[in-house]
Amino acid sequence: SQQGEEDPQALSIQEGENATMNCSYKTSINNLQWYRQNSGRGLVHLILIRSNEREKHSGRLRVTLDTSKKSSSLLITASRAADTASYFCATAQGGSEKLVFGKGTKLTVNP
Amino acid sequence: DTGVSQDPRHKITKRGQNVTFRCDPISEHNRLYWYRQTLGQGPEFLTYFQNEAQLEKSRLLSDRFSAERPKGSFSTLEIQRTEQGDSAMYLCASSSTNPTSGGTYEQYFGPGTRLTVT
Repeated sequence: SQQGEEDPQALSIQEGENATMNCSYKTSINNLQWYRQNSGRGLVHLILIRSNEREKHSGRLRVTLDTSKKSSSLLITASRAADTASYFCATAQGGSEKLVFGKGTKLTVNP
Repeated sequence: DTGVSQDPRHKITKRGQNVTFRCDPISEHNRLYWYRQTLGQGPEFLTYFQNEAQLEKSRLLSDRFSAERPKGSFSTLEIQRTEQGDSAMYLCASSSTNPTSGGTYEQYFGPGTRLTVT
């Protein structure tokens, strides 16, 4: 079964706007990762945040983690048409190295 | 290109046939993972290896599925007696471990093998 739930399931915005996606999970985690997937392609790693971190930045990406609420958010600033993709959060839990993915948020950035 | 590669990229097979997929991880990565993804869903974990040892298997991995990583480098995933429900994208990923803490770094995914069972 899948651990995470991304919200919203789909998001459509105009180029230049910011996009925020949220992820909730159920059990304690070692780290949380965000991935991007273009239609029919493999996953591209975006950012990893460890359970003892609260915020992390990478270029136009900002990720926050609230372990008390078991939630994370991904903010993409100044979005571009090329950001159109599905975005997944994935968690690593306990002593296991497997990633547990949510169903993803489908982002469409309109030019 | 030194990323994760998978072969074939697409496979169409008839129900009941056996299929085998190959994954070549990033060369310095000691961990290799297999996931399966169906349309509209996130990837689901199947199994993973550290070097040649298979350390964890999902209950999704029925006895028709077998994975190997004989020399700790490339891996194969075989599905015997395929069923229509096996149609999915099969993704391979690799990662390395921190030599001092043992913690795992991020996983890097290959392009996937899309299996269609008719």
